[in-house]
Amino acid sequence: EAQVTQNPRYLITVTGKKLTVTCSQNMNHEYMSWYRQDPGLGLRQIYYSMNVEVTDKGDVPEGYKVSRKEKRNFPLILESPSPNQTSLYFCAIGNDIYGYTFGSGTRLTVV
Amino acid sequence: AQSVAQPEDQVNVAEGNPLTVKCTYSVSGNPYLFWYVQYPNRGLQFLLKYITGDNLVKGSYGFEAEFNKSQTSFHLKKPSALVSDSALYFCAVREIAGANNLFFGTGTRLTVIP
Repeated sequence: EAQVTQNPRYLITVTGKKLTVTCSQNMNHEYMSWYRQDPGLGLRQIYYSMNVEVTDKGDVPEGYKVSRKEKRNFPLILESPSPNQTSLYFCAIGNDIYGYTFGSGTRLTVV
Repeated sequence: AQSVAQPEDQVNVAEGNPLTVKCTYSVSGNPYLFWYVQYPNRGLQFLLKYITGDNLVKGSYGFEAEFNKSQTSFHLKKPSALVSDSALYFCAVREIAGANNLFFGTGTRLTVIP
């Protein structure tokens, strides 16, 4: 069974303090992706990766960075977080055939 | 451009009654369609998907959805609602020939009343 592990589950930070949210998978899926969920807006894709060293922007990439140095991990980096990045973040893996599996989420608050 | 519309923010249904959560989509080509459910303080759980084949798709927990190409719809249905079905439901679409981006609707909160 596919599992996506995100850490931390909850994070409160201050504006401008760099942070990283980690995401790892127990499968060998090439595709990994980050979404943010905001009330009334649903889920919006931030970045995705089709394989190691292959990443691309989603719909709302501003203020975020990602890296895919190995297949298993896909960290989300906020170099200088701002309050408008307060949100619930999800990492996802999978494909169209097997479906997409989401992590449990990271609730980030930037004050 | 892809888009998904879930026209109802909230759906209330009595326990035991049939339920429908509506979804319409817009893509340039052919779609892959998905339904996900989110329980409080949980991630998204996959319910069902339409890739190809039969227009009526059966999924987890007794849910099903019907792909209607002419109406560009993919409504989620269940014959008899349970209180435990109360949750937030998301429809998602991906254009087959497009970038690997699942595009989500804004979600519909389903409340099943005992």
